[in-house]
Amino acid sequence: ETGVTQTPRHLVMGMTNKKSLKCEQHLGHNAMYWYKQSAKKPLELMFVYSLEERVENNSVPSRFSPECPNSSHLFLHLHTLQPEDSALYLCASSRLAGGTGELFFGEGSRLTVL
Amino acid sequence: RKEVEQDPGPFNVPEGATVAFNCTYSNSASQSFFWYRQDCRKEPKLLMSVYSSGNEDGRFTAQLNRASQYISLLIRDSKLSDSATYLCVVGRNNNDMRFGAGTRLTVKP
Repeated sequence: ETGVTQTPRHLVMGMTNKKSLKCEQHLGHNAMYWYKQSAKKPLELMFVYSLEERVENNSVPSRFSPECPNSSHLFLHLHTLQPEDSALYLCASSRLAGGTGELFFGEGSRLTVL
Repeated sequence: RKEVEQDPGPFNVPEGATVAFNCTYSNSASQSFFWYRQDCRKEPKLLMSVYSSGNEDGRFTAQLNRASQYISLLIRDSKLSDSATYLCVVGRNNNDMRFGAGTRLTVKP
């Protein structure tokens, strides 16, 4: 059982669609992350929010737009994606000061772009 | 050069075997080190943190060599349930964790 919930679990979209991925954490953490996991590649850090402020954007194309309205919720808005964007998108959360650095992941949203 | 490098495997071992995974990292300023486990079609979960003095948790032993920028994980007396992908994770800071591509382990009866 995970304290980080992601929806939808599966998403199929065309290149012209607009969709959003949602993440919610129930752990009282103050940092949230989006990672991309493609087959046979390392997890790629996309965005980091610390205390609801974006602190990292790892050269992610603008067709991915994150939003963090509060410390418990994180969104990834998707627009005009490419087939190579098909991957598993993992949300994670952690506690900053006083924490061990452990990341708690959601089960992921598997995205297919046609 | 990849920031975190692991042997992708796969490692296929019989039950009861001892298996060791290695990981190297490129950023000498890295501050925190972990091994995560990821089961097929599941999310990664923390297996253990890795400390400079080395640490052990049951059948699992992790070691860190900062001078060589090298991390290891040793699994003794392998169980079928140990079959998974093991991810080496290196933290630049609390906000920025970098993952290796993972080493796949299959333990066979």
